Amino acid sequence: EVQLVQSGAELKKPGESLKISCEASGYTFTNYWVGWVRQMPGKGLEWMGIIHPGDSDTRYSPSFQGQVTISADRSTSTAYLQWDSLEASDTAMYYCARPSSRAHCSSSSCYNVFFDSWGQGTLVTVSS
Amino acid sequence: EKVMTQSPATLSVSPGARATLSCRASQTVSSNLAWYQQKPGHVPRLLIYGASTRATGIPARFSGGGSGTEFTLTISSLQSEDSAIYYCQQYNDWPPEFGQGTKVEIK
Repeated sequence: EVQLVQSGAELKKPGESLKISCEASGYTFTNYWVGWVRQMPGKGLEWMGIIHPGDSDTRYSPSFQGQVTISADRSTSTAYLQWDSLEASDTAMYYCARPSSRAHCSSSSCYNVFFDSWGQGTLVTVSS
Repeated sequence: EKVMTQSPATLSVSPGARATLSCRASQTVSSNLAWYQQKPGHVPRLLIYGASTRATGIPARFSGGGSGTEFTLTISSLQSEDSAIYYCQQYNDWPPEFGQGTKVEIK
């Protein structure tokens, strides 16, 4: 059974750094992309970016490029989402999710990036 | 970037009735469209991909249709547990984009 288990809720102050995690199990971690999705309070889903743990190829949505860093550790089957300097507007629920096996990327684009497995979410609250 | 527009924003339907949700793309996405269900306080769940293929374990009362720029999600006989927000997502072009969601309420 595919499982994505995320780290717990975080309460941080503006300007602080943060790294949240998503531990995968039940499949070969290095064979599938892993993505991150943001959901601000009372709002819809926003796609942030994806990483392929096999070669660390990482793609970002233009809205999040430069705002966050996505990484992965093959030795622990864990994907990460990190911020260097949080803002109040980063307050949201963050989900990791695994695209289907048909997801793939060329040099210029990615295809079949829809998510069939989701983590439970990590609530990040940024407040002074 | 493609813009995905869902309508209506809220749909109120009686139990057992049919619910039809719409999703429109600003440019063609072929059949590269998925639908997700998110119940309050829960994780999104994949319902449909390829515009019309049900994901594993999804009841047959959920069906998807359309191609190009116009898509529909139909719930043939609404159950109380179908109360949720439904999102469409295009994955034809980079980056993938979600619609803003349609909230389905049970009358």
